[in-house]
Amino acid sequence: DAKTTQPNSMESNEEEPVHLPCNHSTISGTDYIHWYRQLPSQGPEYVIHGLTSNVNNRMASLAIAEDRKSSTLILHRATLRDAAVYYCILRRNSGYSTLTFGKGTMLLVSP
Amino acid sequence: EPEVTQTPSHQVTQMGQEVILRCVPISNHLYFYWYRQILGQKVEFLVSFYNNEISEKSEIFDDQFSVERPDGSNFTLKIRSTKLEDSAMYFCASSSGQALGSPLHFGNGTRLTVT
Repeated sequence: DAKTTQPNSMESNEEEPVHLPCNHSTISGTDYIHWYRQLPSQGPEYVIHGLTSNVNNRMASLAIAEDRKSSTLILHRATLRDAAVYYCILRRNSGYSTLTFGKGTMLLVSP
Repeated sequence: EPEVTQTPSHQVTQMGQEVILRCVPISNHLYFYWYRQILGQKVEFLVSFYNNEISEKSEIFDDQFSVERPDGSNFTLKIRSTKLEDSAMYFCASSSGQALGSPLHFGNGTRLTVT
């Protein structure tokens, strides 16, 4: 599976934007970039995904580098509820394309 | 918003006993998954299930594990003879399609404690 690299942790203040980086230099042309998050004591939660173009949804924005070797998840205004582990996952076009979770980035949000 | 529900939220069992973890996926979803997370570790894929058969499984999913969709709504994970190292959070997930863009929807898990 293609590997992603994320910082172990990041800190933010409430109501400030947060940019969570992810490196995926071995991405292949058909890999989708998925982001999930896991709030404390809960199951993973889908956040957003993209292939080549930047994407926006009600939860976040995903900015994908032109060479696709990195991406950034953007939370426009962090809230305390956004404190979670954020996973950047490449969903490879093989088999039934299961998700392979790494360690992710633990986002701490301060009031 | 529809959600994946899992029962029980916490299961305690003795080593060697059989356990069945239950999941109700989102009603129009066709693809089902089990993942587990040992305390402090990564979320690990166990098995995916489609059209009443296993479509993919990991090395963790050995002969002690089995999955079943006994009726139109439930999806179960059975561990035949539990070991101490099976203690973990077990997450069920479902998705509407196989396409790479189809997100997985996870339940909040069953905490399995094997004593």
